[in-house]
Amino acid sequence: RKEVEQDPGPFNVPEGATVAFNCTYSNSASQSFFWYRQDCRKEPKLLMSVYSSGNEDGRFTAQLNRASQYISLLIRDSKLSDSATYLCVVNMDDGGSQGNLIFGKGTKLSVKP
Amino acid sequence: DTEVTQTPKHLVMGMTNKKSLKCEQHMGHRAMYWYKQKAKKPPELMFVYSYEKLSINESVPSRFSPECPNSSLLNLHLHALQPEDSALYLCASSQGGAIGGVYNEQFFGPGTRLTVL
Repeated sequence: RKEVEQDPGPFNVPEGATVAFNCTYSNSASQSFFWYRQDCRKEPKLLMSVYSSGNEDGRFTAQLNRASQYISLLIRDSKLSDSATYLCVVNMDDGGSQGNLIFGKGTKLSVKP
Repeated sequence: DTEVTQTPKHLVMGMTNKKSLKCEQHMGHRAMYWYKQKAKKPPELMFVYSYEKLSINESVPSRFSPECPNSSLLNLHLHALQPEDSALYLCASSQGGAIGGVYNEQFFGPGTRLTVL
């Protein structure tokens, strides 16, 4: 079965800490990778797309390692407002059809004062 | 306008009722999606519409019936649901399904929290 695997956590960190989430995916043909965050009882919100060269947006850095089929998200200087579940999302293109996005089970982050 | 809206926010229905969930986006997106999310689980894809045509049905029971009246609207008609169908139903849209194998980001609506009694 094609899957996206994440450490479920929870990660409990103090404010100001740096925290890293990892995600592995099984389909070597995947081309699109995203990190979403989801707050309790809310919809997933796109945090960032993940590009081959890696990308950074403020305190957030995403990396992609195609050889190892591995994606990471680094959060620097954690804020209380970063507390959420972080979902790793990968397309499962079978090469012949529309394909779709597969969500990992999410990693829960709790940032404490 | 970068918003996907969904109505109603909450819905309680009996197993013999017929109801509909509605989703709307005005971003010019050509792909729209229905997901089901149970508590503490990731969203599970149900249906994909691309250019107003159903392109993916993830083996969803026929008691769920999607409809795409136009490129901005997506409905999910519900009939004879079971209590285990209680969940958060999320609508999403994206610019297109995929271009050259690269998928566009999906933007989610706030969801409809459905309870089936």
